[in-house]
Amino acid sequence: DAGITQSPRHKVTETGTPVTLRCHQTENHRYMYWYRQDPGHGLRLIHYSYGVKDTDKGEVSDGYSVSRSKTEDFLLTLESATSSQTSVYFCAISLTGLANADTQYFGPGTRLTVL
Amino acid sequence: ELKVEQNPLFLSMQEGKNYTIYCNYSTTSDRLYWYRQDPGKSLESLFVLLSNGAVKQEGRLMASLDTKARLSTLHITAAVHDLSATYFCAVDFTNTGNQFYFGTGTSLTVIP
Repeated sequence: DAGITQSPRHKVTETGTPVTLRCHQTENHRYMYWYRQDPGHGLRLIHYSYGVKDTDKGEVSDGYSVSRSKTEDFLLTLESATSSQTSVYFCAISLTGLANADTQYFGPGTRLTVL
Repeated sequence: ELKVEQNPLFLSMQEGKNYTIYCNYSTTSDRLYWYRQDPGKSLESLFVLLSNGAVKQEGRLMASLDTKARLSTLHITAAVHDLSATYFCAVDFTNTGNQFYFGTGTSLTVIP
């Protein structure tokens, strides 16, 4: 257990509304990631962070923004949710990041439905 | 283009049989990861393969990596029902940021 929690776990919202998902870790790890999982696509990286206030885009970043003001929290924001953003969102952490090519450990996921 | 392809996408096999899941990727990398996901659950790390020829085994699962062929295999020996799950491979193509590219997954069902 890598001490990762996500909130909320389930959310239903309407098109055009802003949505923020939170990922919280208790182990002080430097690297954090947001993925979305959709049938037929596996998991795709949205954004990642390599430290407080240090973030970068992943494979599918359009329509998403992130913030990391504290080591333990990584927020994913959908500024104006669309139905194409209906998905399961996973947060992940990497224990040491680049240097040791560590695996990533995943949170429990957030199921988001945009109507 | 950075791509990771798995096959088969769906696999139904009888208990006691052997089978192999294949993971091909598009560009040189020596960092490959295997995960398991049960329905409605998160992903669980199975194996980390970090060099050509790397082989890891855990129980009835064995993973290997051939970086020259850009191929990893996940071999299942004498399958049991508890192995029913979706298996993903992921490749880190980059030298910075530890960014993973995932395959689409192989849904394995083991039939008694």
